[in-house]
Amino acid sequence: DGGITQSPKYLFRKEGQNVTLSCEQNLNHDAMYWYRQDPGQGLRLIYYSQIVNDFQKGDIAEGYSVSREKKESFPLTVTSAQKNPTAFYLCASSIGSGGQETQYFGPGTRLLVL
Amino acid sequence: QKEVEQNSGPLSVPEGAIASLNCTYSDRGSQSFFWYRQYSGKSPELIMSIYSNGDKEDGRFTAQLNKASQYVSLLIRDSQPSDSATYLCAVRVGAAGNKLTFGGGTRVLVKP
Repeated sequence: DGGITQSPKYLFRKEGQNVTLSCEQNLNHDAMYWYRQDPGQGLRLIYYSQIVNDFQKGDIAEGYSVSREKKESFPLTVTSAQKNPTAFYLCASSIGSGGQETQYFGPGTRLLVL
Repeated sequence: QKEVEQNSGPLSVPEGAIASLNCTYSDRGSQSFFWYRQYSGKSPELIMSIYSNGDKEDGRFTAQLNKASQYVSLLIRDSQPSDSATYLCAVRVGAAGNKLTFGGGTRVLVKP
């Protein structure tokens, strides 16, 4: 069963706690992305990775960290430095070349602060 | 000015009518354009991609691109209640690699 999986579906964070969101894909896509979506708004890019062991900051990277040790996996850590973490977090991966890369999304993780 | 702008709606459309959604973008270097549909509480799913000026049709959906005027639109023909969702426009600037910039989305309500 191919696709992008994200876990957990819901995640609760306490004050001062770091939490890690999982993203796995078995589509053999090279590039992977993390977005944040706040209620009633579009998606904002947090981090992205085009190849293993390399990643770049997106538009709102402060308070987040990532790693890309395997092609299939791109976990996102929400650190205690992120003061407003409540949001819907979406992982995506892409395939294609020549500027026609198309991104596909996982089901998302909803992060709530206790 | 936002890089990608959409009317937030809601756009209310009678069942069977045509829904017309617009998206404008600010960067003339934009090369790739995408429409995603997002149901409430779910993740976005790709509807259409378009790269060249003109129209592109896929079933009941038609994307229209006008690079000179910097807008891309989506038409939904024979709108169904199941089309009720938020539609996100996404744009890739050529020099930015794989980065997509998203608009805020247009909420569409199809009334039976």
